[in-house]
Amino acid sequence: AQSVAQPEDQVNVAEGNPLTVKCTYSVSGNPYLFWYVQYPNRGLQFLLKYITGDNLVKGSYGFEAEFNKSQTSFHLKKPSALVSDSALYFCAVRDGTGTASKLTFGTGTRLQVTL
Amino acid sequence: DAGITQSPRHKVTETGTPVTLRCHQTENHRYMYWYRQDPGHGLRLIHYSYGVKDTDKGEVSDGYSVSRSKTEDFLLTLESATSSQTSVYFCAISPGPLLAKNIQYFGAGTRLSVL
Repeated sequence: AQSVAQPEDQVNVAEGNPLTVKCTYSVSGNPYLFWYVQYPNRGLQFLLKYITGDNLVKGSYGFEAEFNKSQTSFHLKKPSALVSDSALYFCAVRDGTGTASKLTFGTGTRLQVTL
Repeated sequence: DAGITQSPRHKVTETGTPVTLRCHQTENHRYMYWYRQDPGHGLRLIHYSYGVKDTDKGEVSDGYSVSRSKTEDFLLTLESATSSQTSVYFCAISPGPLLAKNIQYFGAGTRLSVL
């Protein structure tokens, strides 16, 4: 069975500093990895995905993620955080089998960016 | 929220009553999903559909049923609501199983309270 771990419930960072939100995964076969963001009282919004190819994936709003197969990690990063980045972030994984496009989500990490 | 409408947005009901949540999409996507979001659990898949009248169970399907009679509508029914089903429910849609199209788009959610 596939699984995702987000080891930090909350990450605090000052505006202008780099941020990292951690994600590790477990899946049989090739991993297909996603990051989503949720703002208060909203649904999840897609940020970026890794399917294959370059280990550094660029996404929306200046976010990027680094895929590391040996460490089974897919950490979300941004060089310079903004207060408006404060939200709940979810990592998700889909394995390469089946056709139902089912995702398994992590428990989420709350990012708090302060002035 | 990507042409997805969830109704109602908020509902309070009593234990033992039936409840139906509706997800309506205007994107003509083949796949539709129902998730529940609870603190400490992230999002968990309840049921999903891969076409009209084609549905399957997710990881937390007990106590829930679904129906999809038209491409655009996916209904989630709680036959006899319990307090443990108090949650925020999200509908998601996806165009298909091809990995390049494997992004799920989420509705704004329905907040359900079972008293």
